[in-house]
Amino acid sequence: GESVGLHLPTLSVQEGDNSIINCAYSNSASDYFIWYKQESGKGPQFIIDIRSNMDKRQGQRVTVLLNKTVKHLSLQIAATQPGDSAVYFCAEKPPIPLMEYGNKLVFGAGTILRVKS
Amino acid sequence: EAQVTQNPRYLITVTGKKLTVTCSQNMNHEYMSWYRQDPGLGLRQIYYSMNVEVTDKGDVPEGYKVSRKEKRNFPLILESPSPNQTSLYFCASSLGVKGAGELFFGEGSRLTVL
Repeated sequence: GESVGLHLPTLSVQEGDNSIINCAYSNSASDYFIWYKQESGKGPQFIIDIRSNMDKRQGQRVTVLLNKTVKHLSLQIAATQPGDSAVYFCAEKPPIPLMEYGNKLVFGAGTILRVKS
Repeated sequence: EAQVTQNPRYLITVTGKKLTVTCSQNMNHEYMSWYRQDPGLGLRQIYYSMNVEVTDKGDVPEGYKVSRKEKRNFPLILESPSPNQTSLYFCASSLGVKGAGELFFGEGSRLTVL
């Protein structure tokens, strides 16, 4: 598989346990956040997003929590499965300067999740 | 099936030999972007395009060119590749140009420059 995980933090969890992956973002004015999952040899895939006017959002087996006070984002995966093994990236969208456009996302370096059976 | 398609998936080339990595999306997205991914550094944006004939530099544009002659295609051009451009490249697209929106990624192109 593709080696993107050198020197990344690694979280190892037992199958069936809950996982919590953390991310510190950089810009206090960022208004949109996304979590991506990247499996070996594949491109990042969208998991869940949250806007800055919310502090929690739930999906299927996943929950994202946003703490704007400390610029912290977390992804909670319930009942972790072997198929959840991947690198997880958070991304933030800083505010767009006046007269500029774009869908610029700033990505974190990622966290490796390993699920033990 | 909605997708972003990149070619080639793997390429080994030599310093100075021009190459192009193609990217095509079938979702009628206005926004397209190229990223490179290096170990421990996450995804860094190279160039992006908000629509046909509208392109702009990202965070690491040096040594790259792009074009957007058609809405669906956004090729990445390395006029004179160098070893520091050895990387994993991703093309992405999204519907939105003014606000936030989910980025759809291709499968990646692994480039090695000798």
